[in-house]
Amino acid sequence: NAGVTQTPKFQVLKTGQSMTLQCAQDMNHNSMYWYRQDPGMGLRLIYYSASEGTTDKGEVPNGYNVSRLNKREFSLRLESAAPSQTSVYFCASSEAEAGELFFGEGSRLTVL
Amino acid sequence: DAKTTQPNSMESNEEEPVHLPCNHSTISGTDYIHWYRQLPSQGPEYVIHGLTSNVNNRMASLAIAEDRKSSTLILHRATLRDAAVYYCILRDVGIRTSGSRLTFGEGTQLTVNP
Repeated sequence: NAGVTQTPKFQVLKTGQSMTLQCAQDMNHNSMYWYRQDPGMGLRLIYYSASEGTTDKGEVPNGYNVSRLNKREFSLRLESAAPSQTSVYFCASSEAEAGELFFGEGSRLTVL
Repeated sequence: DAKTTQPNSMESNEEEPVHLPCNHSTISGTDYIHWYRQLPSQGPEYVIHGLTSNVNNRMASLAIAEDRKSSTLILHRATLRDAAVYYCILRDVGIRTSGSRLTFGEGTQLTVNP
């Protein structure tokens, strides 16, 4: 079972470049989430999608946009990357908003 | 918004029980208490969750205080593979949740000594 799949796993960007992190889940979950984790810190929610067709801001949404493409896929876009966005990004999904979260393996992004 | 507080670190010996505490004094009636753990260089992994009653599964037990303002994750016999950061979070049921309530704190770093 694939679960939650994130691509790419590693990426290096220059300041000002744009990129999209892709996330797909095969568990037919309704809710999907994007988190970032800085070194030695906990996870902070960037955006989430409670169900297909809806997206909401989390704690740290500035500098990011998201698209819930369909029930399976939830992408995170950095329009103009900044060094402060250097982090590990985790995508997660859950069947319902209060349900168990399933996480991907993470995408490590470095912005120079 | 309800938040949780946990000790930064705890230490245990292998094959001994471990009790990881979490305070959530502002918990609401519709908040579920979730526990996750994160091994080095991996995404968080679900451990257990509960609402009011104590819960057991193959990984751990969750003891919830009668007033629900605190909970304790119990690992019955710690192994070296249990060394991880453990997060306690609250997840609301029903209406769409405020995004800030889905943020993980810094968790408790559990060290297991052989």
